Amino acid sequence: DQQVKQNSPSLSVQEGRISILNCDYTNSMFDYFLWYKKYPAEGPTFLISISSIKDKNEDGRFTVFLNKSAKHLSLHIVPSQPGDSAVYFCAATGNQFYFGTGTSLTVIP
Amino acid sequence: DAGVIQSPRHEVTEMGQEVTLRCKPISGHDYLFWYRQTMMRGLELLIYFNNNVPIDDSGMPEDRFSAKMPNASFSTLKIQPSEPRDSAVYFCASSLSGYITGELFFGEGSRLTVL
Repeated sequence: DQQVKQNSPSLSVQEGRISILNCDYTNSMFDYFLWYKKYPAEGPTFLISISSIKDKNEDGRFTVFLNKSAKHLSLHIVPSQPGDSAVYFCAATGNQFYFGTGTSLTVIP
Repeated sequence: DAGVIQSPRHEVTEMGQEVTLRCKPISGHDYLFWYRQTMMRGLELLIYFNNNVPIDDSGMPEDRFSAKMPNASFSTLKIQPSEPRDSAVYFCASSLSGYITGELFFGEGSRLTVL
């Protein structure tokens, strides 16, 4: 049973526009939420995280929003760049580390 | 500093053969994780170690899978006998803090194909 779900397997966005990647979770006890980015033939790398006591965390072009009442997490990338094209995994931690199935983002030049 | 090192990068084997995947975590990291990536299930945790001791192996699919960590700088994931449904990318990751802050450092993965 997937405790972290990414319902959009893929997303295409024009360069310079905003990319919004979404993630839903089922367990209200999760402490931390994270986004990882993965390029082909490489391992996932940490991108940004947010504690469950916050509702927003920003790092440069990347902002993560947390809506605890909706059990929903989103990653905003503004402006999107071709180098952002990758698979993005949402993850949540509690007594274990749960990953979503990933969303493949393509930024079109 | 070297990151997490996995070998082999690619393995093609025939059904029934034994497969051993290897991992060297980042020096000083006391948590080590083995994950499997598939299209259907994304990244699944197979097992994790803390200070070389297996803590949670509930994700190991079945008895054909085993993992060891004989010392702080080396771990193996073994599949015996291998089956075509084991074909996937296997990642090793290490961290300093386990699940507390959640930042895991992944290796480049071992792509396994079982014919």
